[in-house]
Amino acid sequence: DAKTTQPPSMDCAEGRAANLPCNHSTISGNEYVYWYRQIHSQGPQYIIHGLKNNETNEMASLIITEDRKSSTLILPHATLRDTAVYYCIVSDPFGNEKLTFGTGTRLTIIP
Amino acid sequence: GAVVSQHPSWVICKSGTSVKIECRSLDFQATTMFWYRQFPKQSLMLMATSNEGSKATYEQGVEKDKFLINHASLTLSTLTVTSAHPEDSSFYICSAKRTANQPQHFGDGTRLSIL
Repeated sequence: DAKTTQPPSMDCAEGRAANLPCNHSTISGNEYVYWYRQIHSQGPQYIIHGLKNNETNEMASLIITEDRKSSTLILPHATLRDTAVYYCIVSDPFGNEKLTFGTGTRLTIIP
Repeated sequence: GAVVSQHPSWVICKSGTSVKIECRSLDFQATTMFWYRQFPKQSLMLMATSNEGSKATYEQGVEKDKFLINHASLTLSTLTVTSAHPEDSSFYICSAKRTANQPQHFGDGTRLSIL
């Protein structure tokens, strides 16, 4: 069973910031938060991951709450190509390194 | 960096035949590779984990004699679906990771259709 909870769908206007929430209230101390996305008929694409500090890369920012029970993925300026299913996954890369995919959030960018 | 390539992208074959799918890490050496399966409108399900030079670890419910995994080098893993039947039709996706603290990177998947 997936250890995360995400809204099934979200819409965001093109050019605006897309904020995707994820709850992971049972996360353990060794588990990282990973975000992937899957565009139709393609393999998942890695976006970002973090342990407890906020992270930023060229694709997105990851904000993790201080208690680590939830996080938010931020796409700063959404484009139509960001339309995809976004998966939030918690995993211990040094222990059981499996990724358990839930149902994710289907993000639709509106022109 | 971190490019993973799968071949073929899609394959159609008759029931009873065996199909081999290749997964290559193009610009890094992968200590661990993973194989997933995705049925229409469902999420990815992990089938097995393989480390170079050792036997793959299969998830519960995945038949190891039907889904043969070979991880002979640090850049190549293969999945062979033996005696494939229509119910094996699915989207098969591999991933690879460089080291423990690096994320998994996925290939673009292989769409398998068994007639």
